[in-house]
Amino acid sequence: RKEVEQDPGPFNVPEGATVAFNCTYSNSASQSFFWYRQDCRKEPKLLMSVYSSGNEDGRFTAQLNRASQYISLLIRDSKLSDSATYLCVVTTSGTYKYIFGTGTRLKVLA
Amino acid sequence: ETGVTQTPRHLVMGMTNKKSLKCEQHLGHNAMYWYKQSAKKPLELMFVYSLEERVENNSVPSRFSPECPNSSHLFLHLHTLQPEDSALYLCASSRGDSLQETQYFGPGTRLLVL
Repeated sequence: RKEVEQDPGPFNVPEGATVAFNCTYSNSASQSFFWYRQDCRKEPKLLMSVYSSGNEDGRFTAQLNRASQYISLLIRDSKLSDSATYLCVVTTSGTYKYIFGTGTRLKVLA
Repeated sequence: ETGVTQTPRHLVMGMTNKKSLKCEQHLGHNAMYWYKQSAKKPLELMFVYSLEERVENNSVPSRFSPECPNSSHLFLHLHTLQPEDSALYLCASSRGDSLQETQYFGPGTRLLVL
């Protein structure tokens, strides 16, 4: 089983739609969680950290479910500029590693 | 911009060449990283430096040799690479090496090995 798994997509959604991605992780000792965004042929950029209580930043909401070992990202009122690949990142205590998922590709259509 | 720069942005090299990738961070960070991103694969951590000391070597072949002369600069020396080493090589930095620290990525060097 992969350490971090994501549905590669693509998720094709119309502008204004709400879309959600999940990311599952295999190590129950995982400590910190992040969502990064990567545009085509660009570097990954931090979108948001994921806190145990869930957190929101504008149209973006991140949730953590430790019991089921997954994190989620919800995007409301999708914009064309949200089109990108969303990378799930998990870290585990005792290592320096950021473990990345392969990413979920989102296309927001006009 | 993230404050992490990488040169060159694109590199084509033969299997017998020796080249170096350079990364520089202008953020005052203490930790720097090299990652490899291949098509349809997740980013793979290669090396971690914290306060100029290598703290992680993620089973990377010896044809990749990192160097960190100071906390602002990181190099990846390449020699006798294989075609399967063609990938995007990303440098990142963070304030410290704690797992909670955000990592900031450079734009990457897109490497093609012929």
